[in-house]
Amino acid sequence: NAGVTQTPKFQVLKTGQSMTLQCAQDMNHEYMSWYRQDPGMGLRLIHYSVGAGITDQGEVPNGYNVSRSTTEDFPLRLLSAAPSQTSVYFCASSHRGNYGYTFGSGTRLTVV
Amino acid sequence: AQTVTQSQPEMSVQEAETVTLSCTYDTSENNYYLFWYKQPPSRQMILVIRQEAYKQQNATENRFSVNFQKAAKSFSLKISDSQLGDTAMYFCAFTWGVLIQGAQKLVFGQGTRLTINP
Repeated sequence: NAGVTQTPKFQVLKTGQSMTLQCAQDMNHEYMSWYRQDPGMGLRLIHYSVGAGITDQGEVPNGYNVSRSTTEDFPLRLLSAAPSQTSVYFCASSHRGNYGYTFGSGTRLTVV
Repeated sequence: AQTVTQSQPEMSVQEAETVTLSCTYDTSENNYYLFWYKQPPSRQMILVIRQEAYKQQNATENRFSVNFQKAAKSFSLKISDSQLGDTAMYFCAFTWGVLIQGAQKLVFGQGTRLTINP
């Protein structure tokens, strides 16, 4: 049982480049979400999804896109990377009706 | 808006001592859950304990227990007999929603860096 799998674990981008952070879960969870973690600010919600084909914005959505074509996958796209997007990114998933989230191991992204 | 505040950026105690981490939150919701997550140097987010707002009894998990004061909107974590492996960042988190929906979003505090000294 792999749980929530994030790839890559580390990434360095140049300003203006685009990339996709991958997230997959094998627990048949309906809910998936992306958070970013910055020093002194805890984790903040970027985007979330309550099921395939349904996504919504969180607290800090600017500069990021998401889509959810399957229950298992929830990729996060950086359209044009900026140094302000340097952060650690976490994907998480949960069952509908459950109040516990399972987190991936995170992706450390540096934009230079 | 829902907010979570952890007022202790860093704490340090000796091994085997008891330590309490503070958390306050603000919400107008009636149905919500509170969590404490542990993040060791490995970066993994690990659920330590959770509390349902409708339950008056404080949650406990082995050496971890909470003091949930609903009227004061306070949710502190007590770690008894602290161990070196407890060294980590600890985050207080909050979620809300009707029971059938479950948790769609988590709101986190800023975190407390806890160091257990030998």
